[in-house]
Amino acid sequence: KAGVTQTPRYLIKTRGQQVTLSCSPISGHRSVSWYQQTPGQGLQFLFEYFSETQRNKGNFPGRFSGRQFSNSRSEMNVSTLELGDSALYLCASSPDRRSGANVLTFGAGSRLTVL
Amino acid sequence: DQQVKQNSPSLSVQEGRISILNCDYTNSMFDYFLWYKKYPAEGPTFLISISSIKDKNEDGRFTVFLNKSAKHLSLHIVPSQPGDSAVYFCAASARGNTGKLIFGQGTTLQVKP
Repeated sequence: KAGVTQTPRYLIKTRGQQVTLSCSPISGHRSVSWYQQTPGQGLQFLFEYFSETQRNKGNFPGRFSGRQFSNSRSEMNVSTLELGDSALYLCASSPDRRSGANVLTFGAGSRLTVL
Repeated sequence: DQQVKQNSPSLSVQEGRISILNCDYTNSMFDYFLWYKKYPAEGPTFLISISSIKDKNEDGRFTVFLNKSAKHLSLHIVPSQPGDSAVYFCAASARGNTGKLIFGQGTTLQVKP
């Protein structure tokens, strides 16, 4: 089975620009979550999508948004980039079982640098 | 408000010995706990998990212990190997929020040959 695929792996943007990151979950996984990792704040939850609906949202400003498509692929968008948005953005998918273990499998991440 | 804490930023052990990584949490609603291992420039890799209805779970060299009254969990690695050197994250989720993991700050484990 292919793992969680994130594109692009690396990108550089300037302040004020916007960026879109893509995530293809493991086949059959319907839940996709996004996380931001920075040296100062660690790994922080951004949002979760299930069946094309945002099911959960973390404590991030409205500049951070996402969506999920009918094939479970997901994108996240950051508008009006700030220097502090420089981070590793991680996508994770899970089968979202109603019972039992529900382990998130992470992709390799998209490293965003804002200059 | 940090709901999941890993108070030791780093740990160094000798190959073959036991590594013990600790994690504390504050939210009583957490009912599922996971440990992930992370190498630089890679995503976290799942190691082992435990449900709040258990107090111990084993998988090969890895054992996780959960003490609900103390809101504390620990990961034991026996025997430690140099390939175990990585950053270890403790994470927790609440019932109905399985896609939302709250992570600790991580502990960097170095296993010396």
